[in-house]
Amino acid sequence: QSALTQPSSVSGSPGQSITVSCTGTSSDVGGYNFVSWFQQHPGEAPKLIISDVTKRPSGISNRFSGSKSDNTASLTISGLQAEDEADYFCCSYTGSNTWVFGGGTKLTVL
Amino acid sequence: QVQLQQWGAGLVRPSETLSLTCAVSGGTFSGYFWTWIRQPPGKGLEWMGEVNPSGASNYNPSLKSRVTMSLDTSKNHFSLKLSSMTAADTAVYYCARGLRGPTWGPGTLVVVSS
Repeated sequence: QSALTQPSSVSGSPGQSITVSCTGTSSDVGGYNFVSWFQQHPGEAPKLIISDVTKRPSGISNRFSGSKSDNTASLTISGLQAEDEADYFCCSYTGSNTWVFGGGTKLTVL
Repeated sequence: QVQLQQWGAGLVRPSETLSLTCAVSGGTFSGYFWTWIRQPPGKGLEWMGEVNPSGASNYNPSLKSRVTMSLDTSKNHFSLKLSSMTAADTAVYYCARGLRGPTWGPGTLVVVSS
């Protein structure tokens, strides 16, 4: 069970859009529409921002959106704000009744 | 609104067994996957395993020989036991109501040290 691959860091200026990728295989990301994204600020528990590839939980800004193509899922944040600076983690169901996380991406708002 | 409260020993000696409990309040206990995730200091998240609505468990293959998860439906609790603890198991341990929903516990820092 290998971790999903995420860039270690991304950055953008306020108002811009950024995309975080999450690459797996046909046995996880590519095989199921069960990809979630979590935002984590320092010292806090992770917060779900996207589930089932594209669904936003109640209360999550529509600036956050998810998508998937083949074995890669993506999180896009539009209209970057200072408060978006955080770590972002993807995870996917693997089909063996297990889940796997990505290594995480640190977003810096310049 | 569903809330999770977790507790357990914050300091565990090497080779001993970690025990953590997560209590569910404000919502339905049955019908959900109850999950444990951990995060070593400064590192990423690791799915440890889950207990499904029928009470059967699925575990991360890397931990399978050391981990036990269970439900106590009478108390709306679910529990984690991790045996043969080493320094590599030092982490913040989170309980959650699956990985497709927003409900997570606050986390418990567990340090393995003699």
